[in-house]
Amino acid sequence: DTEVTQTPKHLVMGMTNKKSLKCEQHMGHRAMYWYKQKAKKPPELMFVYSYEKLSINESVPSRFSPECPNSSLLNLHLHALQPEDSALYLCASSQAPSRERLMRIGAFFGQGTRLTVV
Amino acid sequence: GENVEQHPSTLSVQEGDSAVIKCTYSDSASNYFPWYKQELGKGPQLIIDIRSNVGEKKDQRIAVTLNKTAKHFSLHITETQPEDSAVYFCAPSRHSSASKIIFGSGTRLSIRP
Repeated sequence: DTEVTQTPKHLVMGMTNKKSLKCEQHMGHRAMYWYKQKAKKPPELMFVYSYEKLSINESVPSRFSPECPNSSLLNLHLHALQPEDSALYLCASSQAPSRERLMRIGAFFGQGTRLTVV
Repeated sequence: GENVEQHPSTLSVQEGDSAVIKCTYSDSASNYFPWYKQELGKGPQLIIDIRSNVGEKKDQRIAVTLNKTAKHFSLHITETQPEDSAVYFCAPSRHSSASKIIFGSGTRLSIRP
């Protein structure tokens, strides 16, 4: 299984709603990522989890709250979003660097959740 | 932090011709150099990568070349086909970082029939 599965595929939410995006992988990867992608732009890093611990937060507003319940799952909790937060949210996973495994490999991306905030 | 530039931003080639996209980076400690392809409505997909101890790598119609001294690497696609139309991103990184993957600005490749 070399897939990263994201749900839902599409989400429309109001500015007062609370919703969650979900991501799952079963490749044994210990690094997982959330990216935000606006139209005609590259993916922009939001969060990195390494061995289930948050290792990078790229100064993301607190209305985005990540969670990594276990090594296969990654969630992004959304609360009080703004219309400008509408974007494609991508989850990715990769093998985390370690002493045992010196060479990095690339990341596997999910298909994304298309989020619209109204 | 890492400064990554891609050129050109758009590229249109005749089907069957070759396409070359260049990525320039600033972090001299970068040692992993992948290229991702993103088709419309999909997430990026890793298509080829190269590590700093190798100068060139080929996989069928695609190849990546690395010039560490000049801090740039390029994606080469030969015998282009309509399905090669997509946006291509480079994402140089270093092994020792906490798995930070930063993308270049992207190149929109269009293959003319």
